[in-house]
Amino acid sequence: EAGVAQSPRYKIIEKRQSVAFWCNPISGHATLYWYQQILGQGPKLLIQFQNNGVVDDSQLPKDRFSAERLKGVDSTLKIQPAKLEDSAVYLCASSSGGGQPQHFGDGTRLSIL
Amino acid sequence: AQTVTQSQPEMSVQEAETVTLSCTYDTSESNYYLFWYKQPPSRQMILVIRQEAYKQQNATENRFSVNFQKAAKSFSLKISDSQLGDTAMYFCAFRYFGNEKLTFGTGTRLTIIP
Repeated sequence: EAGVAQSPRYKIIEKRQSVAFWCNPISGHATLYWYQQILGQGPKLLIQFQNNGVVDDSQLPKDRFSAERLKGVDSTLKIQPAKLEDSAVYLCASSSGGGQPQHFGDGTRLSIL
Repeated sequence: AQTVTQSQPEMSVQEAETVTLSCTYDTSESNYYLFWYKQPPSRQMILVIRQEAYKQQNATENRFSVNFQKAAKSFSLKISDSQLGDTAMYFCAFRYFGNEKLTFGTGTRLTIIP
């Protein structure tokens, strides 16, 4: 079975620019998660989707971050405008729900200059 | 809110030896799950082992086993016969029963020395 696909793998932008990340979950997985992992820390959940609806976005900085999951499959996470503190690895994960394990992608490493 | 603490930022051990990684957590709930994830330099988080809080028996997966002490809120990972491929960051994580949200600790960087 194909795993969680993410792109790009690396991204370097200047502060105040915008950036978008893409995630394709494992086929059939209804639940999709975006995590932010700052260097030296564990991943922190930004947003959780169940199909194309948002379940939890309590830790998403909504003034600059947005995410969508059209048609309940692929998802994009956008940052606009980016700040220096947004430098991190952005991980996407998916699960079939019902307590099943989350499967993670390889992440996108974002560097803000 | 639950918190997960990993007090060992870095550890190293000789190949073939046994190593134990520590994790403590704080919660007022009684039904939850605990996990250990491995993150190699490739960045992909890989599930190593999972423990349901209602189970008294400690989970094992081949060379990996846990020591789950519910009263002490402790959840340590033991890696036996360590291999070079075990070199990675290891994260302890917590999830409430019925809630998909994972809360991670800050991680332990484990290096296996040949």
